[in-house]
Amino acid sequence: AQSVAQPEDQVNVAEGNPLTVKCTYSVSGNPYLFWYVQYPNRGLQFLLKYITGDNLVKGSYGFEAEFNKSQTSFHLKKPSALVSDSALYFCAVRDNQAGTALIFGKGTTLSVSS
Amino acid sequence: DAGVIQSPRHEVTEMGQEVTLRCKPISGHDYLFWYRQTMMRGLELLIYFNNNVPIDDSGMPEDRFSAKMPNASFSTLKIQPSEPRDSAVYFCASTFGSGNTIYFGEGSWLTVV
Repeated sequence: AQSVAQPEDQVNVAEGNPLTVKCTYSVSGNPYLFWYVQYPNRGLQFLLKYITGDNLVKGSYGFEAEFNKSQTSFHLKKPSALVSDSALYFCAVRDNQAGTALIFGKGTTLSVSS
Repeated sequence: DAGVIQSPRHEVTEMGQEVTLRCKPISGHDYLFWYRQTMMRGLELLIYFNNNVPIDDSGMPEDRFSAKMPNASFSTLKIQPSEPRDSAVYFCASTFGSGNTIYFGEGSWLTVV
């Protein structure tokens, strides 16, 4: 069965500092991995995805994520956080041998202080 | 493109009433998903369709929930009768093919009192 774990409910970082939001996954086949962001009272917005190829994926708003197969991780990173990055972040996985639907982690609230 | 369109955006209804949530996927997409978001359970997949056919409805909580996709541009999620524990945000999402990005609507915020 597929599963995603986001071990931190909340991440706090000061503006200008680097940020990392952690994600680990479990699938039986090769993973398709995604990050989404949700602002208050809004839907989920796509940030980036890993399907195959380069382990470092660059996405929207300066975010990037690194796929690590040995550690089954896909951590989201940004070199310099902005207050406007404060939101709820979701990691999601799809097993390429088990259908198309995404399975989401519980979400991590990112709070960036000025 | 207008994106995935959901209606209503907000609904408050009384326990026992029927609720119908509507979704228009992005034109050309062949997969449609219904998710539910609550504080306690996070984002749960309820059901998804491929080419208008339900593929996996194992996430539908109980018989009070039903979903249909009569054509490629429209889907409904119905709750009858509604209960307070159904209060949640219901998201519709769509994509084309496998491996592609899944795009979400803005959600339908349901409160059952």
